Amino acid sequence: DGGITQSPKYLFRKEGQNVTLSCEQNLNHDAMYWYRQDPGQGLRLIYYSQIVNDFQKGDIAEGYSVSREKKESFPLTVTSAQKNPTAFYLCASSISGWDSPLHFGNGTRLTVT
Amino acid sequence: ELKVEQNPLFLSMQEGKNYTIYCNYSTTSDRLYWYRQDPGKSLESLFVLLSNGAVKQEGRLMASLDTKARLSTLHITAAVHDLSATYFCAVDDDMRFGAGTRLTVKP
Repeated sequence: DGGITQSPKYLFRKEGQNVTLSCEQNLNHDAMYWYRQDPGQGLRLIYYSQIVNDFQKGDIAEGYSVSREKKESFPLTVTSAQKNPTAFYLCASSISGWDSPLHFGNGTRLTVT
Repeated sequence: ELKVEQNPLFLSMQEGKNYTIYCNYSTTSDRLYWYRQDPGKSLESLFVLLSNGAVKQEGRLMASLDTKARLSTLHITAAVHDLSATYFCAVDDDMRFGAGTRLTVKP
């Protein structure tokens, strides 16, 4: 079955450590996105990529980094510079950028203590 | 800066009642999406509205788009418990999301 796989589902890290969240899709979608969701709030865009080897910052890119070396993969690194990293992170993809709905992964819940 | 505002943010309904969720946005976009999120889960796409006057219906939910008013509505007819979830609208132009409407349908 085609879909988006995020791993791990839960992730715990100590403050000051970088951590990488995995996102893989086998939908052959060109565009991929990372969102952050805090409790009781909407989604905020961190980074997005519409093509391999290219990506753009979203609203809250500070303290995060991404790469897009393969069409299927869009990993997100939460660096120690991110002041409040504890959140629910959602990866999504779409067929052709902004004119089609997003397909979401199941999310990674990151807790930093 | 694009703003997407949903209201109400919290909605408690009795089963069988009707209600409307509103999504206002600040750009001239003609693409708007509605998503549903169950507690602790990811989001799933409900409706894609791609032009002024677009109306889509699925079961007890109907979504519409008025690009001139920069307004989309999600109408719930004869609510049932299974509709309890958080509903988000998202606007093209960087796919910005509203804060979500947490719907609870009570028997």
